[in-house]
Amino acid sequence: GAVVSQHPSRVICKSGTSVKIECRSLDFQATTMFWYRQFPKKSLMLMATSNEGSKATYEQGVEKDKFLINHASLTLSTLTVTSAHPEDSSFYICSAHTPGHHTEAFFGQGTRLTVV
Amino acid sequence: GQNIDQPTEMTATEGAIVQINCTYQTSGFNGLFWYQQHAGEAPTFLSYNVLDGLEEKGRFSSFLSRSKGYSYLLLKELQMKDSASYLCAGMDSNYQLIWGAGTKLIIKP
Repeated sequence: GAVVSQHPSRVICKSGTSVKIECRSLDFQATTMFWYRQFPKKSLMLMATSNEGSKATYEQGVEKDKFLINHASLTLSTLTVTSAHPEDSSFYICSAHTPGHHTEAFFGQGTRLTVV
Repeated sequence: GQNIDQPTEMTATEGAIVQINCTYQTSGFNGLFWYQQHAGEAPTFLSYNVLDGLEEKGRFSSFLSRSKGYSYLLLKELQMKDSASYLCAGMDSNYQLIWGAGTKLIIKP
């Protein structure tokens, strides 16, 4: 099946710094990728839809200037958490559908972000 | 509004059968998904139903009734490794996944 690779899997950073998370589709071209955040014992919360070559579409309540999304190529989308705070500590997951095929979302491994 | 409901937690015995129910309300409908998620890991795909009926895949089966807005995931011959959260997700008319909160399944020996 299709593979989505997410890096890093774990990161610890200091308050006020920025962290970049990469999401790559390894064997297909993903025109659209999705970024989720998951709190402990909670379901996935869609943060934004990342569209190749255009601006991301953010869900209501998600700060665009804090969570910067770039989808510069058909195989790479990045999420940058800027000026991180402890409340940004969470599990971040990206996913992608294969083009024209909506019957399965392929997930990256997830990134556990801890802000100290 | 769009909504997915599933039980928060279920407990079952190793070797037994368990059914996890899910009811959904979406704007349009393009299918119902079940994912398995172990703690600290990303979800992995289990099943997809878009037509009414039962889809069987080894020990796991998934059922859909579109008229009732209802689905279930059936797990047979439970193994300890099946202890995980099971996420139900409906796909709306924009092909966006609407996620349930997940059902934590605890398997006891």
